Amino acid sequence: DAGITQSPRHKVTETGTPVTLRCHQTENHRYMYWYRQDPGHGLRLIHYSYGVKDTDKGEVSDGYSVSRSKTEDFLLTLESATSSQTSVYFCAAGRAEEKLFFGSGTQLSVL
Amino acid sequence: QKEVEQNSGPLSVPEGAIASLNCTYSDRVSQSFFWYRQYSGKSPELIMSIYSNGDKEDGRFTAQLNKASQYVSLLIRDSQPSDSATYLCAVNRNDYKLSFGAGTTVTVRA
Repeated sequence: DAGITQSPRHKVTETGTPVTLRCHQTENHRYMYWYRQDPGHGLRLIHYSYGVKDTDKGEVSDGYSVSRSKTEDFLLTLESATSSQTSVYFCAAGRAEEKLFFGSGTQLSVL
Repeated sequence: QKEVEQNSGPLSVPEGAIASLNCTYSDRVSQSFFWYRQYSGKSPELIMSIYSNGDKEDGRFTAQLNKASQYVSLLIRDSQPSDSATYLCAVNRNDYKLSFGAGTTVTVRA
């Protein structure tokens, strides 16, 4: 996982509750990413960060927010979870034009 | 039109054969091209990158790029059961983002 840790690894929650996923990296990468992976869709970018407090939206950002207060931590928040947000979430770090290192993923189930 | 499209698969090949995976992309300004391998239940890992037209070889893997046709391919020679995985094509437009295809699942039959 190249020093990228995601927590929790598994999460079951109910519709309408807020959920926060955490990504922690130890390699001092400037760029960090949150992707979701669903069958038939591959990896889709939710949000990314290009520095502390610098974030931007990806292609599927509705219903998600992020924060990056320190280089090593990138948080993904589902403000009010819906069943359509049931997915596997991957955090990644690195340079998109060179190589991304991925965390082990978080399996999120929204009931 | 999706930004990155791959053969949906699955692709089943006998051990020792060549597996051929294809990928097309829609944005002509794309500059960097990658193949990531993902074993079932695991995270993706980079196996090949290619930046200029032509072929790039690394062991049993060969990546091919044709920017005029907006086409990237991956050949796996002498396929082994350990090559059974999903292969994700990824494209970067020289910005911060990496766009992925849906992936092609390869099964190597012993």
